[in-house]
Amino acid sequence: AQSVTQLDSQVPVFEEAPVELRCNYSSSVSVYLFWYVQYPNQGLQLLLKYLSGSTLVKGINGFEAEFNKSQTSFHLRKPSVHISDTAEYFCAVSRYNFNKFYFGSGTKLNVKP
Amino acid sequence: GAGVSQSPSNKVTEKGKDVELRCDPISGHTALYWYRQSLGQGLEFLIYFQGNSAPDKSGLPSDRFSAERTGGSVSTLTIQRTQQEDSAVYLCASSLGISGEQFFGPGTRLTVL
Repeated sequence: AQSVTQLDSQVPVFEEAPVELRCNYSSSVSVYLFWYVQYPNQGLQLLLKYLSGSTLVKGINGFEAEFNKSQTSFHLRKPSVHISDTAEYFCAVSRYNFNKFYFGSGTKLNVKP
Repeated sequence: GAGVSQSPSNKVTEKGKDVELRCDPISGHTALYWYRQSLGQGLEFLIYFQGNSAPDKSGLPSDRFSAERTGGSVSTLTIQRTQQEDSAVYLCASSLGISGEQFFGPGTRLTVL
């Protein structure tokens, strides 16, 4: 079975500062990796995904994530955050056939002016 | 365009009653997922439908939970003899099934008194 750990439940940061949201997973097999974002009062939407190829993945709104197989991590980064990035971010993994997804408990990013 | 819709948006019920939650996926999406999100927790996988294949029910927490998908489109999640621990937000997502990208509905907030 797979599991996903997001150690930081909340991350406060000032506007224009860089941010990293951590995600670690455990799996005995190859997995696909995702980051979803949930803005206040909205549904979850895909931010970015890693299926294969380059380990550095770029997503929407200037976010990027790097797949590190040896450390079983998929940390999300943004060099300069905006107030509008305030949201909850979920990391997820899936097996190759997408029949089941395992989500982390989420990290609330609070961007302050 | 039409996204994933869920109804009702809120449901308050008494312990021991049965409830039905509905999900209308995006037209043409062959994959449909149900998740449960309890307060402060990540998304917990419940069930997965893919086309005409038998559903993956491995995430259903007890035999009080069941789901069906009629005509490869609308899905209903039924919880029988509801318990207070069933209180959560129930999310539905649909996907083309080969991309890994899920499109989420707004959820149904279930409160069991």
